[in-house]
Amino acid sequence: DGGITQSPKYLFRKEGQNVTLSCEQNLNHDAMYWYRQDPGQGLRLIYYSQIVNDFQKGDIAEGYSVSREKKESFPLTVTSAQKNPTAFYLCASNQQGVKSGANVLTFGAGSRLTVL
Amino acid sequence: AQSVTQLDSQVPVFEEAPVELRCNYSSSVSVYLFWYVQYPNQGLQLLLKYLSGSTLVESINGFEAEFNKSQTSFHLRKPSVHISDTAEYFCAVSDWGNTDKLIFGTGTRLQVFP
Repeated sequence: DGGITQSPKYLFRKEGQNVTLSCEQNLNHDAMYWYRQDPGQGLRLIYYSQIVNDFQKGDIAEGYSVSREKKESFPLTVTSAQKNPTAFYLCASNQQGVKSGANVLTFGAGSRLTVL
Repeated sequence: AQSVTQLDSQVPVFEEAPVELRCNYSSSVSVYLFWYVQYPNQGLQLLLKYLSGSTLVESINGFEAEFNKSQTSFHLRKPSVHISDTAEYFCAVSDWGNTDKLIFGTGTRLQVFP
């Protein structure tokens, strides 16, 4: 079945450590996105990528980094510079990207990061 | 700048009762509107969307939402809820000129009691 796979589902990290969250899609979607979800704050956009080897900062990019070396993969690294990294992270993709006129997203199941 | 307001953070309701989840948006341009649903510890799933045409849109599981341009609203309704509808519901908006950015509301948790 086509979809988005995020791993790991749960991750614990000590302060000061970098951690990378994986996001893989087999939907042949052009655009991919990373959102952060916190209770009572909804979803906030971290980074997005419309094509391979290109990505843009979202609203809360500080302390995060991404890469887009392959169309199907968009990993997110949470660096030690992120002050409050404990959150639920959601990866999403979009079939038509900017050109579609309607941004209907497909989401992965999420990764819950806890910093100890 | 665009924004989405979901005034109700939680909505408790008994099974088979009607429900309305409110969503208001602000934008200076024409918009697309969406409702997504999130079940516990899962990602979001598209519930329904308004792109153009009829202002009343429906989902396959009995939800409907009506786009009201004058009131800048896109409220979600269901005439009779089920226990399985318990979830968090997110309203979202993107404008016609900037479709790579989807702005989400803070979510409404619908809790259906037997």
